[in-house]
Amino acid sequence: DIVLTQSPALAVSLGQRATISCRASQSVSISRYNLMHWYQQKPGQQPKLLIYRASNLASGIPARFSGSGSGTDFTLTINPVQADDIATYYCQQSRESPHTFGAGTKLELK
Amino acid sequence: EVQLVESGGVLVQPGRSMKLSCAASGFTFSSFPMAWVRQAPTKGLEWVATISTSGGSTYYRDSVKGRFTISRDNAKSTLYLQMDSLRSEDTATYYCTTEDYGSFAYWGQGTLVTVSS
Repeated sequence: DIVLTQSPALAVSLGQRATISCRASQSVSISRYNLMHWYQQKPGQQPKLLIYRASNLASGIPARFSGSGSGTDFTLTINPVQADDIATYYCQQSRESPHTFGAGTKLELK
Repeated sequence: EVQLVESGGVLVQPGRSMKLSCAASGFTFSSFPMAWVRQAPTKGLEWVATISTSGGSTYYRDSVKGRFTISRDNAKSTLYLQMDSLRSEDTATYYCTTEDYGSFAYWGQGTLVTVSS
């Protein structure tokens, strides 16, 4: 299985930039497609898709969210961070079955 | 508006069976592969199974292969997950999701399955 590694937590100040990383144990890219996706989950709620295929903003997601990366290294950026963004963020790969998720990065206020 | 509403989650003893349902509305159900993703209490997300648009192809994670069966009724816009030989490690909130080229775009609110004696 492809293992996705995320830092457990990240502390940021409101209005600043947050950079959340995800490293895959092997490449999740095929040709020009980077098969990495990002989700936000708040306590007691279902996850919400933020970014699909590494850099595409999902429907209804604010432009302060962006994604980048290829191969094994991917980044979700939130700029500027707002209070509503305090949540846990998961990366997920669809390069191989089983689709796997990272363990999540909890975004906290500094 | 896309809506996915799961039901069927209960407390069940190890070794028993249960069936989850997910009623879909607000989109053309038959046009999307569908999936189940679960989350154990205080843990991360885990993909469980995926079914193709017609239902002709199904995919499972190894730990549920042979015990769980994903199915769909396109006429009723409903997704199912039949779970047999349940184990304590199957305890989780089960989410119904649409699957679009490997990403899970829309999620239900989840239904809690507890496997305990």
